[in-house]
Amino acid sequence: DAGVIQSPRHEVTEMGQEVTLRCKPISGHNSLFWYRQTMMRGLELLIYFNNNVPIDDSGMPEDRFSAKMPNASFSTLKIQPSEPRDSAVYFCASSLAGITGELFFGEGSRLTVL
Amino acid sequence: GDSVTQMEGPVTLSEEAFLTINCTYTATGYPSLFWYVQYPGEGLQLLLKATKADDKGSNKGFEATYRKETTSFHLEKGSVQVSDSAVYFCALSAISGNTPLVFGKGTRLSVIA
Repeated sequence: DAGVIQSPRHEVTEMGQEVTLRCKPISGHNSLFWYRQTMMRGLELLIYFNNNVPIDDSGMPEDRFSAKMPNASFSTLKIQPSEPRDSAVYFCASSLAGITGELFFGEGSRLTVL
Repeated sequence: GDSVTQMEGPVTLSEEAFLTINCTYTATGYPSLFWYVQYPGEGLQLLLKATKADDKGSNKGFEATYRKETTSFHLEKGSVQVSDSAVYFCALSAISGNTPLVFGKGTRLSVIA
């Protein structure tokens, strides 16, 4: 079975540019999570959705970050404008059993902002 | 609020050594407990879990026992291999049912031949 699919796997962009990260959760999973991982701050939960509805976005660092889930099979995380401090690996994860269930992670999108 | 504390790394061991990574938690009631592993360049994946006190989770030679009296869920393996080199995360799922998994900060393990 296909796991969580993220794209792009790697993105290099210049400061000020818009970045869009994409995620396709596992079919049938009803919760989706976006995480950010850096050496300095570790793994941070940015936002999560249940049944396509955003539940908590208190982890989103700034208004430059936004996330959408227009349907059960697709979500985006957008950064506009991007800054060098946004450089990180961004993970998407999905869960079959709601927001407290076992998480299945994608392989991540490594973002470098120059 | 609920929290997980795990030993800081990095941990460096020789092949075939015994591994223990400590994890303690603070939570209301009896949460479910998890260990996730992240291999280099990959996302986290579930290694093992335990859903009630005294349960033992096991997988790939790793074990962890849910100890409610010490609020702990220590990860152990009797003989590590180079391929076990990874970052290990302890996590809990609150019984309230309205918050996501709470992760520890992760412990990096390096196994040398």
